Formats: sequence, structure tokens, C-alpha cells
Amino acid sequence: AQKITQTQPGMFVQEKEAVTLDCTYDTSDPSYGLFWYKQPSSGEMIFLIYQGSYDQQNATEGRYSLNFQKARKSANLVISASQLGDSAMYFCAMREGSLPNTGNQFYFGTGTSLTVIP
Amino acid sequence: DAGVIQSPRHEVTEMGQEVTLRCKPISGHNSLFWYRQTMMRGLELLIYFNNNVPIDDSGMPEDRFSAKMPNASFSTLKIQPSEPRDSAVYFCASSFKIADTEAFFGQGTRLTVV
Repeated sequence: AQKITQTQPGMFVQEKEAVTLDCTYDTSDPSYGLFWYKQPSSGEMIFLIYQGSYDQQNATEGRYSLNFQKARKSANLVISASQLGDSAMYFCAMREGSLPNTGNQFYFGTGTSLTVIP
Repeated sequence: DAGVIQSPRHEVTEMGQEVTLRCKPISGHNSLFWYRQTMMRGLELLIYFNNNVPIDDSGMPEDRFSAKMPNASFSTLKIQPSEPRDSAVYFCASSFKIADTEAFFGQGTRLTVV
């Protein structure tokens, strides 16, 4: 089974609108971290936001928030007030932490390409 | 902090040649990851190290690929001999070895094998 699933290859959003990028994950480890990265056309990978498995509240960083639904194993990224500069590829990732014999590598999804329309 | 430093940024080489990609992780980080990104396969983990020791190299495509981390501040990914299908962007990333810390990526090396 895939550790991280991003089902939206491409998304469009009107400038100034909010958009939700979907991410579901699969793990049996009770301790894990969820991450979102942005990759603009220039190619660099930019860390956006983190959510820990034990965090009670959804993470927020400026216009980014993470809609964490633990029972559903989803960690959707919400971008509010979209800007043209938000056009990029977005990757969801997970890192497991506590079970013996599990590594600490990052599992990445296939990404969602977001286009912000003026 | 200078971040993760990769060199070279771009490499064009002929098929059959040896290619060495270099990475300097962030000082203090004890996990290092090598990824390959292509349009067809997305972001693939090739190998990662904890405390300079290779932990999982199951993502290395074949014996032509090898990676080393001789010390905490330097790692190399070598392809010998290179083939056109190795053309990709290769990223190095580093992190602390705990689940609640993000990976910091280098700028990547764009490799073209002709």
C-alpha cells in the first residue's frame, strides 16, 4: 500500500480564493509527522508546514493550514487567499518515528500541480 | 546557515562516463537523503544515511549507482557508467533523525546524460 496518496494531479484556483489539496496516508506507527512541501517551477523544495500525530490542533503557518483528520488518515493542505506565486507543485510527506525496525525516511506523494488563475 | 549545498548544479555528460554528485548537509543534522526526480517517476528515495551509516539503499536503481558518506559533513552519489535514462534532478536533503523535524533540501543537481 502507498504510504502517501495524493489523488489530484492538477488543481486550478482563482486568485484570492481558498484551495484544498488532498493527502491521505497509511501507517501503523502511532508516532509520525506529516509535512507539506512546495516546489515552484524553479525547482527548489520548500518546506511549508508540519503536523505531528499527537498534535491536538491543526497546524497553521500564515496562509497555510493543515486539516488533520487522524481517524480518516488525511492531512489536507488549505491555502487561503491564493496568490499567483502559489502556482507550483505541492508534495505531501510522512515520516514515521517510533516502531522498532522502521526507518525514519520521508515518504512523499506524487504531488499536486496547482495553478492560480488571475 | 548556508543550508544543504549540492554541487554541481548542472552536469552534462556523455553516456558511459562516471558522474559524481556532492552534498554538504546542514551542520548538526544526522540524517541524509538522496532523491531522484523525473517527470515519469516523480520523487524517488535512492538511499539514506543515519549518523553516516547507510540505512536503506533499496531505492538505488542498480549497481551502477553508489553512495558514500565518509563523514558527517559530506556525501557523494556516484553513477558509473552513466546512461541517458539516468537523466534527472538529484536532490540531497538533510534532517535531524526524529519524526517531527522536516527535511531541508539542497537546490538539486540537474544531470543530463547524452
